[in-house]
Amino acid sequence: NAGVTQTPKFRVLKTGQSMTLLCAQDMNHEYMYWYRQDPGMGLRLIHYSVGEGTTAKGEVPDGYNVSRLKKQNFLLGLESAAPSQTSVYFCASSQQSFGSTDTQYFGPGTRLTVL
Amino acid sequence: AQSVTQLDSQVPVFEEAPVELRCNYSSSVSVYLFWYVQYPNQGLQLLLKYLSGSTLVKGINGFEAEFNKSQTSFHLRKPSVHISDTAEYFCAVSFIRRRDSNYQLIWGAGTKLIIKP
Repeated sequence: NAGVTQTPKFRVLKTGQSMTLLCAQDMNHEYMYWYRQDPGMGLRLIHYSVGEGTTAKGEVPDGYNVSRLKKQNFLLGLESAAPSQTSVYFCASSQQSFGSTDTQYFGPGTRLTVL
Repeated sequence: AQSVTQLDSQVPVFEEAPVELRCNYSSSVSVYLFWYVQYPNQGLQLLLKYLSGSTLVKGINGFEAEFNKSQTSFHLRKPSVHISDTAEYFCAVSFIRRRDSNYQLIWGAGTKLIIKP
């Protein structure tokens, strides 16, 4: 059982380039999330999904797009990277309702630097 | 509006000493409370959570937290820390939004626990 995995672990982009971060979970969870973590700011929710084929905006969605074509995968895309998107990105999943009593399971993170 | 405040960005403590990491929240509705831990270069994992019942909650690795409704706090404690407890600790609060009855999860900014040998 791998839990939640993220690809890649590190990436350096130039301003204006695009990329996709892949998240995969093998726990058959319905809910998946993308967060960004910046120093002194904790976690901020970018987008989330409540099931296959569905996505919704979180707290800081601008500049990002997501897709959930398969239940186990949740992709985060950066259309035109900006230095303000330099951050550590975490994917998480949970079985029950978003933010309720349920535990979220996190991937190891992707460290993205935009020059 | 709901908010979560972790009062200390860093807490240095000697090995085998006790530690308390503080978390205060602001909410006009009932909440569920969580502590997550992030070890260096890893993702977050759940330490413990308060849903209902006893206000003293025990978690993994010898940590415990006490829910104090009157003080709107959920402080994390450990009686004797070990070097392996070096990590960043995040408090999170879950509540139901009045405007649409959906849940929302708010995260604190985190507290880095630094263990001194």
